[in-house]
Amino acid sequence: KAGVTQTPRYLIKTRGQQVTLSCSPISGHRSVSWYQQTPGQGLQFLFEYFSETQRNKGNFPGRFSGRQFSNSRSEMNVSTLELGDSALYLCASSSGLAGQWSSTDTQYFGPGTRLTVL
Amino acid sequence: QKEVEQDPGPLSVPEGAIVSLNCTYSNSAFQYFMWYRQYSRKGPELLMYTYSSGNKEDGRFTAQVDKSSKYISLFIRDSQPSDSATYLCAMSGGTYKYIFGTGTRLKVLA
Repeated sequence: KAGVTQTPRYLIKTRGQQVTLSCSPISGHRSVSWYQQTPGQGLQFLFEYFSETQRNKGNFPGRFSGRQFSNSRSEMNVSTLELGDSALYLCASSSGLAGQWSSTDTQYFGPGTRLTVL
Repeated sequence: QKEVEQDPGPLSVPEGAIVSLNCTYSNSAFQYFMWYRQYSRKGPELLMYTYSSGNKEDGRFTAQVDKSSKYISLFIRDSQPSDSATYLCAMSGGTYKYIFGTGTRLKVLA
């Protein structure tokens, strides 16, 4: 079974631009979560989508948005980029809602998209 | 104060040593406790999870949760160079969102 894929793997943008990142979950998984990872703050939860609906949201400004399509693929958009948005953006998929933990459910992470804002 | 505190390391140990990795937390609502391992340039992979207090063992790995002290640990026995990675603790509670520690970098020396 193919793992979680994220595209692109690397991006360089300048301040003020916007960016769209893509995530394809494991086949059959309906939940996609997005995280931002930085050396100082670690992994921070952005939002979670389940069946095309945003189910949970972290403490990030409205410049960060996302969506999920009927095939469970998800995109994340960041508008008006700031230098502090430079980070590794990780996507994770699971068969159920993340946080509704069950012994058979696991979040699988993709390799991430490394975003650099200049 | 962060909800989850984790010593960033780096932690260097000789091959075969017992490694102890720890996290403390402040939110008593957390009920699910997880440990992830992240190799360089890879996404995190789930190592172990526990629900509420207690111990759980899986091969060379043992996870402990002490809810009364708000303290969780991951022990690695007979550590190997292949265990060299960043270890992240994560917690989840009634709000359905994960809170991660910043990660501890571990280096096992051959």
